[in-house]
Amino acid sequence: SQQGEEDPQALSIQEGENATMNCSYKTSINNLQWYRQNSGRGLVHLILIRSNEREKHSGRLRVTLDTSKKSSSLLITASRAADTASYFCATDERGYSTLTFGKGTMLLVSP
Amino acid sequence: DTGVSQDPRHKITKRGQNVTFRCDPISEHNRLYWYRQTLGQGPEFLTYFQNEAQLEKSRLLSDRFSAERPKGSFSTLEIQRTEQGDSAMYLCASSRQGGQTQYFGPGTRLLVL
Repeated sequence: SQQGEEDPQALSIQEGENATMNCSYKTSINNLQWYRQNSGRGLVHLILIRSNEREKHSGRLRVTLDTSKKSSSLLITASRAADTASYFCATDERGYSTLTFGKGTMLLVSP
Repeated sequence: DTGVSQDPRHKITKRGQNVTFRCDPISEHNRLYWYRQTLGQGPEFLTYFQNEAQLEKSRLLSDRFSAERPKGSFSTLEIQRTEQGDSAMYLCASSRQGGQTQYFGPGTRLLVL
């Protein structure tokens, strides 16, 4: 079963704009990760944030985590057409080694 | 290129046939995971191995599904008597023991007619 949900389900922006995606989950976690999936391909790991961290940056990516609200956000700044993909958050529940994914946000960046 | 490879990349089969997929993980990773992803959904966990031991299986893994990792390196996922509902992308991932990041392969897309 899906752990949580991403919001929005789809997002369409112009190149250069920022894109923000949100993720909610249900249980206590060790960490939360964001992955990207280009159409019909495998998943690429983007960033991991631990449950004791509140914010993390990696290049044009900024992730926040609010464990009290069981939610996370992914911000992509200065978006590019190559950022067009589906973005998934994934959590590992405490005591489990496997990942539970949300349904994803489909991002379309137009030139 | 994450280093995880899967074969075949696409498979079309008729209902009732058996299919087998292969996954080769990153060589130094001793954990290997199988996920299934249907259209418009995120990946759903099926099973995982630590070395050759199958440590966890999802309730999604019906009796028609079997996974092996005989030498702790590559893994196979077999689906017997395929059904149309088995049509999906089957993803393999690997990680180091204690590693929190899983590295995914390109997936095998299965279509059952």
